[in-house]
Amino acid sequence: QVRLQESGPGLVKPLETLSLTCTVSGGSFSTYYWSWIRQSPGKGLEWIGYIYYTGTTIYNPSLQSRVTMSIDTSKNQFSLDLNSVSAADTATYFCARGTPTVQFWSHWGQGTLVTVSS
Amino acid sequence: DIVLTQSPESLAVSLGERATINCKSSQSLLYNSDKKNYLAWYQQSPGHPPKLLIYWASNRESGVPDRFSGGGSGTDFTLTIASLQAEDVGNYYCQQYYTSPYTFGQGTKLEI
Repeated sequence: QVRLQESGPGLVKPLETLSLTCTVSGGSFSTYYWSWIRQSPGKGLEWIGYIYYTGTTIYNPSLQSRVTMSIDTSKNQFSLDLNSVSAADTATYFCARGTPTVQFWSHWGQGTLVTVSS
Repeated sequence: DIVLTQSPESLAVSLGERATINCKSSQSLLYNSDKKNYLAWYQQSPGHPPKLLIYWASNRESGVPDRFSGGGSGTDFTLTIASLQAEDVGNYYCQQYYTSPYTFGQGTKLEI
């Protein structure tokens, strides 16, 4: 049974960097695409980007200038950094597993609420 | 970006009745080389992540009850719940994976 679990601070100050980690257990880490998706009341569900187990990344152009994703296959973890945050980045952040070829998501973390506030 | 527009925004259906949700894409999601529609449907209950119901527009995910079905092609798609059960209440989203950035519809709230 594949499980994903997000971790990281629930409160980030404006203009600082939001950093989250997703830990994967119970399944293969290689051959899959690993995504970050967020959900806010104002913008609904928004795909942030994905990282392949090789380290290849694709980001949503709307966030590309502020996003960095990384992966640690030895720990079965991948991470998200979003810099220069504002209140508009307040959302529940999900990590999710894509398929080996296309990007729909059958496995999701429970999500973690990140609030941007001073 | 591909825009997905769902209708209706909210829907109230009686137990045992049929529910239909529509999703219209701003461009075709049918890939000519493999003749597949790159569209998925998700169900989300409050406090939970989205749950995959349907992929390739009409393929039911393992474990999803057969009262859920997906249809359509190109730019127009539907999710049908044949006989609504109490546990089907929630929000439903379509999502395209035809091209990056992958996008979702705005959601449909399904109530009894």
